Amino acid sequence: AQSVTQLGSHVSVSEGALVLLRCNYSSSVPPYLFWYVQYPNQGLQLLLKYTTGATLVKGINGFEAEFKKSETSFHLTKPSAHMSDAAEYFCAVRMNSGNTPLVFGKGTRLSVIA
Amino acid sequence: DAMVIQNPRYQVTQFGKPVTLSCSQTLNHNVMYWYQQKSSQAPKLLFHYYDKDFNNEADTPDNFQSRRPNTSFCFLDIRSPGLGDAAMYLCATSRGGNTEAFFGQGTRLTVV
Repeated sequence: AQSVTQLGSHVSVSEGALVLLRCNYSSSVPPYLFWYVQYPNQGLQLLLKYTTGATLVKGINGFEAEFKKSETSFHLTKPSAHMSDAAEYFCAVRMNSGNTPLVFGKGTRLSVIA
Repeated sequence: DAMVIQNPRYQVTQFGKPVTLSCSQTLNHNVMYWYQQKSSQAPKLLFHYYDKDFNNEADTPDNFQSRRPNTSFCFLDIRSPGLGDAAMYLCATSRGGNTEAFFGQGTRLTVV
């Protein structure tokens, strides 16, 4: 069975500071990994994904994440936080074959302080 | 733009009164999902359709049903809503069973 752990339910950073949101996964086979962002009263929007190939993936809004198999991690980063980045962020995993739904982490709420 | 559309965005229903939430997609994806998301929690999968095949999660209450009359539309029926069913309901689609999912804007359900 697959699972995702997001360390820190709430992260607060200053505007312009580095954003680091942590995600660790558990999977018996190499998984596909995703980061989604959710603004209040909105659906989830895909930020980026890792399937195969380059382990450093770039997404929208200046975010990127690195797949580290040895650490079973897929942390999300952004060099400089913007006020508009304040939202809920979900890491998700699914198997790389077959029909398997996304398994979400519990989410991390990012606050950006002016 | 191709997208996933949920109607309505906000729905208020009475305790015990059946309610239907709608989802349509223009992506021509063969998989459609319904998630329930309560406040400050991760989305919880209720069920999904892989083509016409219905897949119910083991812990989805019988009170929740779904219909998919064609590729583009999917409905969530709550037969007798309780106060505990108040939540955001998210519809999503994907091409195949292991690619990224595209989400609609959600329907926030209030039960009074």
